[in-house]
Amino acid sequence: AQTVTQSQPEMSVQEAETVTLSCTYDTSESNYYLFWYKQPPSRQMILVIRQEAYKQQNATENRFSVNFQKAAKSFSLKISDSQLGDTAMYFCAFMSSNSGYALNFGKGTSLLVTP
Amino acid sequence: SQTIHQWPATLVQPVGSPLSLECTVEGTSNPNLYWYRQAAGRGLQLLFYSVGIGQISSEVPQNLSASRPQDRQFILSSKKLLLSDSGFYLCAWSSGVDKQETQYFGPGTRLLVL
Repeated sequence: AQTVTQSQPEMSVQEAETVTLSCTYDTSESNYYLFWYKQPPSRQMILVIRQEAYKQQNATENRFSVNFQKAAKSFSLKISDSQLGDTAMYFCAFMSSNSGYALNFGKGTSLLVTP
Repeated sequence: SQTIHQWPATLVQPVGSPLSLECTVEGTSNPNLYWYRQAAGRGLQLLFYSVGIGQISSEVPQNLSASRPQDRQFILSSKKLLLSDSGFYLCAWSSGVDKQETQYFGPGTRLLVL
């Protein structure tokens, strides 16, 4: 079974600064998909970014980018120019390409952006 | 554009009572549909998914059930709620083209069983 580990339960960053959230995963597969989701206080789960394992290029969405290290099974999220609205729980998730439909989620990192 | 709705937003139910949570998707056809549960302080766990009308797959054994009576409607039910059923329930959809398509989530339902 695949596991997703987020080792930082809580993080804090000042507005306009950059912060990196860590995620590691365990799988024996070579083809899979990785995601970062954001859950603000409203609790709706919002997609931040998606990465296909077969792509070497790191995904980027505006201020959000990932550092995907396939050999190390690491998938960190970098948030640049942090904004107050970035305050949320961030979940790393894994999906196998060979089995199942489930997204396997980590336990999340609570990010607080301060003025 | 596609939108996903869930209701009710919040529900407080006594132990042993029935449950019905509804999820509908607009703006797409033949979606894959999912029910997840989020317990306090934890990530999400997939409960059920459906790739078509009447087709339901269960990921974990429990006293909950799911049904898909229409293409874009997904219902989560229980005949008798347990205290352990309390949590935040999220419905999600993805394009039915490929199971690796991105899943998009609804606003969720907070369920408290007393």
